[in-house]
Amino acid sequence: DTGVSQDPRHKITKRGQNVTFRCDPISEHNRLYWYRQTLGQGPEFLTYFQNEAQLEKSRLLSDRFSAERPKGSFSTLEIQRTEQGDSAMYLCASSLGVGTDTQYFGPGTRLTVL
Amino acid sequence: AQRVTQPEKLLSVFKGAPVELKCNYSYSGSPELFWYVQYSRQRLQLLLRHISRESIKGFTADLNKGETSFHLKKPFAQEEDSAMYYCALSGRGDKLIFGTGTRLQVFP
Repeated sequence: DTGVSQDPRHKITKRGQNVTFRCDPISEHNRLYWYRQTLGQGPEFLTYFQNEAQLEKSRLLSDRFSAERPKGSFSTLEIQRTEQGDSAMYLCASSLGVGTDTQYFGPGTRLTVL
Repeated sequence: AQRVTQPEKLLSVFKGAPVELKCNYSYSGSPELFWYVQYSRQRLQLLLRHISRESIKGFTADLNKGETSFHLKKPFAQEEDSAMYYCALSGRGDKLIFGTGTRLQVFP
């Protein structure tokens, strides 16, 4: 499967714990995006990378959230001191990074904070 | 403010009936508009984008800048069209701003 992959697919954690999600983009895709989707809503932009540079962060991304893409390939999204409001589907997408090109989405990581 | 509005949460039709999923947007500039679809148990995928002016799976969408709309249409719905449909815009060629989605149910 050469599509975008995300790991884990599901994560259940207790409030206050830290969690980390991984996204592997399509090979040779320079751009990588993180979105969050809650029930009944469309995906909401969190942040994106052009290669290893983080170019934009949404105001939704509080100080407890951090994302990295150290070698311009895979990316991690960490949430520290999780809260119940963090429960959501976290989606990763990648694109070639040429103009407004197609974003290809991964299957998502569903986070449940108890 | 940048915003995408999909007024209908659910649209139910019978097979063979015409379908129109509404999408209105707010953006100060010339955005690019997209329709994404999510079938049951599948990931979100691009259906069509306004610059390509294609018909995908019988669906078309025309950008109306005067009415700031990008409605998705299909003349004859099929059962396999049942899915969640999201309208989205991109202002600068990077992040997507999505609407809340419309669930299309096509009954036999």
